[in-house]
Amino acid sequence: AQSVTQPDIHITVSEGASLELRCNYSYGATPYLFWYVQSPGQGLQLLLKYFSGDTLVQGIKGFEAEFKRSQSSFNLRKPSVHWSDAAEYFCAVGLSGSARQLTFGSGTQLTVLP
Amino acid sequence: NAGVTQTPKFRVLKTGQSMTLLCAQDMNHEYMYWYRQDPGMGLRLIHYSVGEGTTAKGEVPDGYNVSRLKKQNFLLGLESAAPSQTSVYFCASSYPGGGEQYFGPGTRLTVT
Repeated sequence: AQSVTQPDIHITVSEGASLELRCNYSYGATPYLFWYVQSPGQGLQLLLKYFSGDTLVQGIKGFEAEFKRSQSSFNLRKPSVHWSDAAEYFCAVGLSGSARQLTFGSGTQLTVLP
Repeated sequence: NAGVTQTPKFRVLKTGQSMTLLCAQDMNHEYMYWYRQDPGMGLRLIHYSVGEGTTAKGEVPDGYNVSRLKKQNFLLGLESAAPSQTSVYFCASSYPGGGEQYFGPGTRLTVT
């Protein structure tokens, strides 16, 4: 069965600093990979996705992620964090097949210091 | 477009009571999903549907039932609520080949 690990439960960075959120997955084939963001009391919003092709993908709000097959990783990065980026971030793996079910990591809570 | 909407936003139930959560989408998506979100556990799939009239079990289906009588609606039912079902419930929808799921705002359910 596939699984997703986000090893950092909580990360704190200062505004303007760079950010990297880690995501590792376990899956037998090349997966579909996603990063979602959830602000307090809100639903999940897609930041970016990887299906195939270029392993460095750009998303909304200045985020990017790199798929590294050899490390089974899909880490999320942002060069300069803004206070509005404070939220919870979820990595997800999509199954191949018709239903496209997603398996989510447990999330990383990001705090941004002024 | 409203996207994915969920009704109600909040609900408090007593143990043993029943209720139905409604999810509606106006994007003509074939696939719809129900998840629950618990602290430290991410989102877990309860049930999903790949089309009108079809449903299937996800990772944590026990204690829940679903129905998809219309393409735009996906109902989640709790026949006899238990405190373990206290959670935030999210509905999502997607196109068959798109992979990306669009999420509703969630329903916070407390069972006492």
